[in-house]
Amino acid sequence: DTAVSQTPKYLVTQMGNDKSIKCEQNLGHDTMYWYKQDSKKFLKIMFSYNNKELIINETVPNRFSPKSPDKAHLNLHINSLELGDSAVYFCASSPAGQGRNSPLHFGNGTRLTVT
Amino acid sequence: AQSVTQLDSHVSVSEGTPVLLRCNYSSSYSPSLFWYVQHPNKGLQLLLKYTSAATLVKGINGFEAEFKKSETSFHLTKPSAHMSDAAEYFCVVRSSSGNTPLVFGKGTRLSVIA
Repeated sequence: DTAVSQTPKYLVTQMGNDKSIKCEQNLGHDTMYWYKQDSKKFLKIMFSYNNKELIINETVPNRFSPKSPDKAHLNLHINSLELGDSAVYFCASSPAGQGRNSPLHFGNGTRLTVT
Repeated sequence: AQSVTQLDSHVSVSEGTPVLLRCNYSSSYSPSLFWYVQHPNKGLQLLLKYTSAATLVKGINGFEAEFKKSETSFHLTKPSAHMSDAAEYFCVVRSSSGNTPLVFGKGTRLSVIA
């Protein structure tokens, strides 16, 4: 009965590789997000999709490309990985209809380590 | 523009004593405010939210927070700390439409001493 699930939970890879993180939500939400949590625990929005359309794209290198095949999925593909990409990446979702009052539901995170 | 400041990066309390985690916000519009908790190696769980109804908000696990507009604060409290409360706590603000992202504070790590 997992609401927002991310895979993999851990990802260790070398610099220069390309990797993907998958996210799925079974809550029927319209909006999905990717957040990055750095080593100091600071969380920052990367992308937001509403019904498969990109609505927020913060200052993120274009090596990061989100893909939303349907409104229940938002995958994150990262090209040419760099050491600075090491972080925990969280997927989240929210019901758009409730406006600003709707909290986000988070996945358990993917810890990416680039060596 | 919106922002949130968590005044303490680390708070340490003894088990059974009160908890106070401080948060101040800045928002151009009437904000929605949230507190999330993150246990080690886990995702973020919603503790409570303020959405312009009652100013005193009760959440899960005995936590509550009070919205004070005059002080632009939304401090999180609990009367009696439990060992299982040890975690990272994030104060979060959103001041506009549902499609705008949440803005997170930098977090407060709560330690509970037996």
